Amino acid sequence: AQTVTQSQPEMSVQEAETVTLSCTYDTSENNYYLFWYKQPPSRQMILVIRQEAYKQQNATENRFSVNFQKAAKSFSLKISDSQLGDTAMYFCAFMIPGGGADGLTFGKGTHLIIQP
Amino acid sequence: GAGVSQSPSNKVTEKGKDVELRCDPISGHTALYWYRQSLGQGLEFLIYFQGNSAPDKSGLPSDRFSAERTGGSVSTLTIQRTQQEDSAVYLCASSLGGGLDQPQHFGDGTRLSIL
Repeated sequence: AQTVTQSQPEMSVQEAETVTLSCTYDTSENNYYLFWYKQPPSRQMILVIRQEAYKQQNATENRFSVNFQKAAKSFSLKISDSQLGDTAMYFCAFMIPGGGADGLTFGKGTHLIIQP
Repeated sequence: GAGVSQSPSNKVTEKGKDVELRCDPISGHTALYWYRQSLGQGLEFLIYFQGNSAPDKSGLPSDRFSAERTGGSVSTLTIQRTQQEDSAVYLCASSLGGGLDQPQHFGDGTRLSIL
């Protein structure tokens, strides 16, 4: 079974600072995808960034980047120049091949608060 | 609409009643997923449809839960004889296919409260 662990239930930083959210996972699969989703109070889950396990290069999307360490099974999210609108729950998630039948496996989330 | 649509947005019902939750995926998306998000928890995968079929129903929490999808589009999640522990936000997602490279797009969810 796959598991995803987010060890930081809540984090708070000042606007414009850089923040890193941690995520570790456990799987015996070699090919998989990793995702970070953002869930603001509106409840909608919004895909922030994704990483394919066979790609060594870390994914980046504007202010969002990941540090993917496959051997360590670590997938942290870095948010640069944080903005008030980044305040939300952030979930790390994982999917394996044929994973349609299993869906995404999510961590319990990190509540990120950006202070003005 | 362009996104995944779920209804109702909120549902309050008495213990023991049956409820039906609806999900209308993005047009053309063949894969559809249901998740449950309990208070303070991450999302728990319930069931996946590829077209109208659900290859694995073992993620459903109990036999009081059932789901169907007709016409390869709208899906309904039915909970019979609701219990208080069924209170949660039920999220639906869809994707173009069930492959790894197809991101899931989520609806706003249905908040279910069992009194």
